[in-house]
This record gives sequence, C-alpha cells and structure tokens, in this order.
Amino acid sequence: GQNIDQPTEMTATEGAIVQINCTYQTSGFNGLFWYQQHAGEAPTFLSYNVLDGLEETGRFSSFLSRSKGYSYLLLKELQMKDSASYLCAVRDRVGNTPLVFGKGTRLSVIA
Amino acid sequence: KAGVTQTPRYLIKTRGQQVTLSCSPISGHRSVSWYQQTPGQGLQFLFEYFSETQRNKGNFPGRFSGRQFSNSRSEMNVSTLELGDSALYLCASSRVSDQETQYFGPGTRLLVL
Repeated sequence: GQNIDQPTEMTATEGAIVQINCTYQTSGFNGLFWYQQHAGEAPTFLSYNVLDGLEETGRFSSFLSRSKGYSYLLLKELQMKDSASYLCAVRDRVGNTPLVFGKGTRLSVIA
Repeated sequence: KAGVTQTPRYLIKTRGQQVTLSCSPISGHRSVSWYQQTPGQGLQFLFEYFSETQRNKGNFPGRFSGRQFSNSRSEMNVSTLELGDSALYLCASSRVSDQETQYFGPGTRLLVL
C-alpha cells in the first residue's frame, strides 16, 4: 500500500530554522512534492525532488533520499506568514499520475 | 495568467441530495484532478481527467463521478450525499507534457447536514 508519514504539528520561533520530515513507502517512485497550505486556502506548490539531493528556492530547501524513502523541507529565517500546513506528496509511477499526499504538518511560528 | 477557479466556493446540502461542483483549469492545462480534503484523512485523490477521458481513479464509491468538457473544464458530481461527504473538494490542473506540477484551485467547501 501507499503510506506517507509526517509529523502532525510543529512549533518554531520567528527567525529560526525548522525542518519538516516526510517518510514514504510507495509501490513506486517518480517524484516528491511539497505544498504549503494556509488555513482556508488552496495548496500552493513549493518544491519538487526526483533525484537525491537538495533543492533550494529562496528561504525554502527540500532534500530527498530515495534509498531511505525520506525527504525534508527546511524553512530558514522563519516569518509569521510561514504559519501554515505543509503537505508532502509522492507520485508513485511515471506519467501524469495522481499524487499521494501525507496528512500534512501544521507549523505554528511564534514570536 | 489566471489560476484554477472553482465554483461554488461554499455549499450546504442535506443528506440524500446530489451536488455538482465545477472547475476551470489554468489556460492551456488539459489535465484536471479532483481531491477530497478532510481533517482526518488529509488529501485523497478522487479522479483525473485528460482530453475528456477519465485517466485515473481513486478509491471512492460510485456516488462520486466526474466529467471533462472539450474546453478542459471539469465537473464532479456526488449523488445521495452522506454526512461523511462534508469536506473541502479541491481541483488541480497540470499541462500535458509537464508531469511534475499540479496547481490547485481554492476549493469548494461542502457541508452536508
């Protein structure tokens, strides 16, 4: 079956760095995505990893290890507006196939 | 470029009724996927349409159905509504050749009483 695990909630301080982990067990693998979702809004795309290693986009970085079935999203210089849910999703086969989502990590940034 | 749009944004129905939700993808996007989001289950895949054909389907009962029109707009229908169908229904679109990124609409929040 498909299983994607991420912590339910995290709290971090403004200006700090936070790492949100995601582990997955899927029948196949063709890419891992991170989305940000503010309360009451649509998920917005943050990053995509298909090869091992680190992808950086501004204050956000995402890491993937395919052999370990593991990814993390790193948020630097946290701002209050980063308070949101962060969703990890895996595409489990080649082609325009549906994403399998984790239940999301609710991040609260406090002053 | 306009984003994915969904109508209506909010809907209240009673058990046994049916509902139709609409999604207009980003211009040029031909793939439309539907997801159900609930606090307990997270985002769960319903189905995906491409060129008016259902290409992928999730594990939902037959009460959930959809279709896509020639202009790539899509509708989903839920018949004989149950209390457990209360959820945020999200639509996402992607291009033909870009298999990576799906772009989500704001969702339709359905409450079944």
